[in-house]
Amino acid sequence: DAKTTQPTSMDCAEGRAANLPCNHSTISGNEYVYWYRQIHSQGPQYIIHGLKNNETNEMASLIITEDRKSSTLILPHATLRDTAVYYCIVRVFKAAGNKLTFGGGTRVLVKP
Amino acid sequence: EPEVTQTPSHQVTQMGQEVILRCVPISNHLYFYWYRQILGQKVEFLVSFYNNEISEKSEIFDDQFSVERPDGSNFTLKIRSTKLEDSAMYFCASSEGLSGGTEAFFGQGTRLTVV
Repeated sequence: DAKTTQPTSMDCAEGRAANLPCNHSTISGNEYVYWYRQIHSQGPQYIIHGLKNNETNEMASLIITEDRKSSTLILPHATLRDTAVYYCIVRVFKAAGNKLTFGGGTRVLVKP
Repeated sequence: EPEVTQTPSHQVTQMGQEVILRCVPISNHLYFYWYRQILGQKVEFLVSFYNNEISEKSEIFDDQFSVERPDGSNFTLKIRSTKLEDSAMYFCASSEGLSGGTEAFFGQGTRLTVV
C-alpha cells in the first residue's frame, strides 16, 4: 500500500471548516484513499473513502486531486467533538480482506 | 445503528496467564479483524479472518495468538501466555463482503494490562 504524509498537528476554530491535507504521491491506479479518525483512544471511526471522484457524506467531504497524488478531507463546520487524530490511509481493495495500515495521522484540536 | 461490541472493556491479567478478548461484529459482516494500540503508539494490524480462516496476519501475530469464531456471532482473540509487552488496547473490527462497502467498523476496544 502507498505511503501517506500528513501534518503532525493542526488547530481549527469551532464552526469553521477544517481542511486536512494528505500527500500520497506514490498512489497506484487501483488504490483507494480512506480517512479514519480516533477520538481519545476510542476505536478508529470510518469517515469517508474515494478512488478518483470527490465524495461527500454526512460527516465530511473528500477532495482528490486530478493526478490523485494528494487529497483533502474537509470537515465543513468543525465542532469541539471533532477533536481527534485523523488518519489518511491508501490501500488496494482485496477480496481476501482489507487491512488498514495506520500512520501517525494529524492531531486536530478544535478550539472554541 | 449497528455497532461492533467488545468485552471486557478492561482486563488485568498476570504475566503468563491466558486471556480471551471477545467481540461481537456487526451481524451481516463477513470480514473480521483485530488491531492493537500500545499506549502512545500507532494502531497496528494483527489479523484478518474470512470464511472461517485467517486471511492475513502480521508479524506481531505469532504462535501465542489465535482467533476463533466459535459461533455465528462471536469473534475471539486468545493470547496463550501473556507478556508485559502485550499490554495495549485491542480493537476488533468488521466489514461487509464484496457486494457491500469496504470500510471497517471498529469496536471501542479492550484495554489489556499485563502485570
